[in-house]
Amino acid sequence: KQEVTQIPAALSVPEGENLVLNCSFTDSAIYNLQWFRQDPGKGLTSLLLIQSSQREQTSGRLNASLDKSSGRSTLYIAASQPGDSATYLCAALTQGGSEKLVFGKGTKLTVNP
Amino acid sequence: NAGVMQNPRHLVRRRGQEARLRCSPMKGHSHVYWYRQLPEEGLKFMVYLQKENIIDESGMPKERFSAEFPKEGPSILRIQQVVRGDSAAYFCASSPQYEQYFGPGTRLTVT
Repeated sequence: KQEVTQIPAALSVPEGENLVLNCSFTDSAIYNLQWFRQDPGKGLTSLLLIQSSQREQTSGRLNASLDKSSGRSTLYIAASQPGDSATYLCAALTQGGSEKLVFGKGTKLTVNP
Repeated sequence: NAGVMQNPRHLVRRRGQEARLRCSPMKGHSHVYWYRQLPEEGLKFMVYLQKENIIDESGMPKERFSAEFPKEGPSILRIQQVVRGDSAAYFCASSPQYEQYFGPGTRLTVT
């Protein structure tokens, strides 16, 4: 059974700092791993999707990496801004079953001006 | 191409009433998923459907909950005889294959 863990649960940083969010998963047989952003009371916005054959994906100030052998993914945010404040979720799509995403509980990020 | 649409966005029901949540997938997507987000908890998978078929309902509570995705029209998540513990945000996602796109969610409040 796939389990996804995100550390830390909450993070507060000053504006301009580079930061890393961590995600670990127990079953390495995944199709892909997705990172999402969720603002309070809102839906999910997909940030990056990494296929199982890929090592990383980049979009603007965001870079996500995937290491299947160690069961880890990281989301790197460069030059953080107050507008980056949100909860960041990672989710794994596991092989060998139905195509359901298994989510971590998220990291709540606060970027202080 | 419009995104995944869900309605209503907010739904208030009294205990014992029925709740119907609707989801229209993105054009061309034949896979629909429902997830539930309870307060202070992560998103949990409920059910995966394709047109006229339930593929995986392993995350659905055994009683009072049902889902369908008919040949025509939106996918429906139906909750009968709601209880306070059903209060949550319910998200629908659609997919052409492996990448899932999420709707804005329906926030159900049971009073």
